[in-house]
Amino acid sequence: GAGVSQSPSNKVTEKGKDVELRCDPISGHTALYWYRQSLGQGLEFLIYFQGNSAPDKSGLPSDRFSAERTGGSVSTLTIQRTQQEDSAVYLCASSTHRNQPQHFGDGTRLSIL
Amino acid sequence: QKEVEQNSGPLSVPEGAIASLNCTYSDRGSQSFFWYRQYSGKSPELIMSIYSNGDKEDGRFTAQLNKASQYVSLLIRDSQPSDSATYLCAVNKEDMRFGAGTRLTVKP
Repeated sequence: GAGVSQSPSNKVTEKGKDVELRCDPISGHTALYWYRQSLGQGLEFLIYFQGNSAPDKSGLPSDRFSAERTGGSVSTLTIQRTQQEDSAVYLCASSTHRNQPQHFGDGTRLSIL
Repeated sequence: QKEVEQNSGPLSVPEGAIASLNCTYSDRGSQSFFWYRQYSGKSPELIMSIYSNGDKEDGRFTAQLNKASQYVSLLIRDSQPSDSATYLCAVNKEDMRFGAGTRLTVKP
């Protein structure tokens, strides 16, 4: 079946602009995660959604970052007033439940000029 | 102490050898353990899951779990150049915690 789908695959934007990254999880997966991975680094947890519960936002690095998940399916990660340090690959993953293995999308490579 | 620790490497082994990747974790209550493979420029791909003490084999891969020692490892037998990647250890209790990964290079 279809895996986790992310769009766009690449995004280049100017410093100070807002960006929106989209994630479409595997059908039936109630848990959805956003991570950030800088070049050569490990995964940095950003935010977690489980069904209709309040999201775990503990990993968001600043108030410029926000995310929502509509209808328990598609999620959008928004970065406002982008900075150069926001340049990274943003990965989305989904799972059937929080303690089940996560399946990753191909990521969005974000470059801030 | 990091919650999930891995040797960053790089670990270099010759083709055909056994590659041994190690991971320790701090939360004794952790219940499920995973290994992901990440090729350069690609996203992590799940390759092994293990939930109970002992060994679990899948083809050339063997995951080993020792909860008393808080240690999980991945063995890759008959290593191939195509196994060259970064291997991420992930440990789950209520949340999934990822190690920083070990970079493996298999030399022809």
